Amino acid sequence: AQSVTQLGSHVSVSEGALVLLRCNYSSSVPPYLFWYVQYPNQGLQLLLKYTSAATLVKGINDFEAEFKKSETSFHLTKPSAHMSDAAEYFCAVRPYGGATNKLIFGTGTLLAVQP
Amino acid sequence: DAGVIQSPRHEVTEMGQEVTLRCKPISGHNSLFWYRQTMMRGLELLIYFNNNVPIDDSGMPEDRFSAKMPNASFSTLKIQPSEPRDSAVYFCASSLYRGDTEAFFGQGTRLTVV
Repeated sequence: AQSVTQLGSHVSVSEGALVLLRCNYSSSVPPYLFWYVQYPNQGLQLLLKYTSAATLVKGINDFEAEFKKSETSFHLTKPSAHMSDAAEYFCAVRPYGGATNKLIFGTGTLLAVQP
Repeated sequence: DAGVIQSPRHEVTEMGQEVTLRCKPISGHNSLFWYRQTMMRGLELLIYFNNNVPIDDSGMPEDRFSAKMPNASFSTLKIQPSEPRDSAVYFCASSLYRGDTEAFFGQGTRLTVV
């Protein structure tokens, strides 16, 4: 079964520092990949998605992610953290083609931004 | 569009009672997902529907849980009887039936079983 692994359940950065949140997928065929953000007491919102059109994907709020097939990775980055980026981030996977559009999430990474 | 609408937002019930959570997906979406979020287990997919038909319910924890989608604009998740360990936030999400499209989430229902 397809899955994603998020390394680091908690990440802390200083305001203005680089944000790097890691996601690795397990699939013999590159799947569709998504990053979502969840603010406290809210639902999940899409940040960006990989659908095979381009390996470097830009999303909202200056976030971007690069799909690397050789590393089976889809890490999320932001050049400069802002206090408002403090939230939980989820990587998700959907199989490419096939009869299922099941959407499976990783365990999440809680991002703290220090002043 | 108002987005995915879930009700109620909060539910407190006593152990043994029946609980029904409701979801209205985005108009035109033909896939619907129910997730449960807890600190211990993260975000778990319970069941999902395509074109109102349940496709995969392997995530439903026990027979106490059931879900229905009588039409394209409404779904329910029922727990009967409820137990304290069912306390969690339950999310409904909808999408088009295409792998490259994202799912849109509701605000969730926070369930507390005492």
